[in-house]
Amino acid sequence: DTGVSQDPRHKITKRGQNVTFRCDPISEHNRLYWYRQTLGQGPEFLTYFQNEAQLEKSRLLSDRFSAERPKGSFSTLEIQRTEQGDSAMYLCASSRTQSGAGELFFGEGSRLTVL
Amino acid sequence: AQSVTQLDSHVSVSEGTPVLLRCNYSSSYSPSLFWYVQHPNKGLQLLLKYTSAATLVKGINGFEAEFKKSETSFHLTKPSAHMSDAAEYFCVVSRYNAGNMLTFGGGTRLMVKP
Repeated sequence: DTGVSQDPRHKITKRGQNVTFRCDPISEHNRLYWYRQTLGQGPEFLTYFQNEAQLEKSRLLSDRFSAERPKGSFSTLEIQRTEQGDSAMYLCASSRTQSGAGELFFGEGSRLTVL
Repeated sequence: AQSVTQLDSHVSVSEGTPVLLRCNYSSSYSPSLFWYVQHPNKGLQLLLKYTSAATLVKGINGFEAEFKKSETSFHLTKPSAHMSDAAEYFCVVSRYNAGNMLTFGGGTRLMVKP
């Protein structure tokens, strides 16, 4: 396994700008998840794909957020018109469909700072 | 609905002494429970999991946890702390066989003094 990779690792942007994060899962994993982690808190579920289908979305995912996984491989998470409250670590994870519940493999995250 | 409460935000121990990180859960369903560890600038890593088999679960690096349904607890222990154990630990609950919906606790930062 080469692991889950995320890009960029750090992003500083001004309020109102759009940002996009990319996640490359472990190659044979068909499930891909996005979580958000704010300072001093545990990660919170945002959304989840099985192959290219987005199967669940948290109510945390406002209409300024959009996630895609067009070919069932890498995924992007775009935040439009960023707000200071969007500052957080965005975590991507992947798993096999048949793996035990909760056995997610996480990337190192993309840290967003909105000024 | 499900939730997790980690009872201590910070725990400090001396190297070689036991570690106890406390976790209580709430779940409307038969829960699956996990502990994940997050070292600085590293991704979250699964330490161990409980999925309705043995109530005493052994994980990596000498950690273990015991599922106590009557107390709705899933405390993490290790007999002897090592400096490399210093990290953030998360207790996690999911609905049994619903691995996509993980609910994380707030985390416990473990500090190990030499």
